[in-house]
Amino acid sequence: ETGVTQTPRHLVMGMTNKKSLKCEQHLGHNAMYWYKQSAKKPLELMFVYSLEERVENNSVPSRFSPECPNSSHLFLHLHTLQPEDSALYLCASSQVLRGRPGELFFGEGSRLTVL
Amino acid sequence: SQQGEEDPQALSIQEGENATMNCSYKTSINNLQWYRQNSGRGLVHLILIRSNEREKHSGRLRVTLDTSKKSSSLLITASRAADTASYFCATFLSYALNFGKGTSLLVTP
Repeated sequence: ETGVTQTPRHLVMGMTNKKSLKCEQHLGHNAMYWYKQSAKKPLELMFVYSLEERVENNSVPSRFSPECPNSSHLFLHLHTLQPEDSALYLCASSQVLRGRPGELFFGEGSRLTVL
Repeated sequence: SQQGEEDPQALSIQEGENATMNCSYKTSINNLQWYRQNSGRGLVHLILIRSNEREKHSGRLRVTLDTSKKSSSLLITASRAADTASYFCATFLSYALNFGKGTSLLVTP
């Protein structure tokens, strides 16, 4: 138990579906992150919410849409995905001090399969 | 862009042996972190070493940092089957931690 909870753990969806991944942290951190992990590739940072400011990786397609309603909750809305979007999506949180994150606490991940 | 790169990509050893994995990075750092990931699970933080430190220990883990060579190493002593996992180094880049592809460690009984 890391204090970061992700749901669902597994998700199978068609290319025309709309679904959302949810992440909740109970650690009082001020930053939350979405990372994508595909086979044989480095972890790819998708989005950061830090001190209520959103930063995104410009290479992330618009079919991924993040939402951070408060410092404890983070969502990743999925819309018209492609099979190559199948991956493990990891949520993490950290305390950011002077613009730099400390240790990251990860959830167990949401394994997404797009058919 | 990828900041850190681990070497080797895969390592197979027997229980009781030591495992060493290396990380090289490109830009100057404030600190470097090592994480572990069991298959299909989330990453777990192992150890953080600051740029003014050369060596740090935590249990069976020993981390070294050479800022002149922009490299770090993680040593796991007296390895156990339960150490089987992927190990990643991470450094701060732009606004978040950036990870390499990892070293996949297999420890056989």
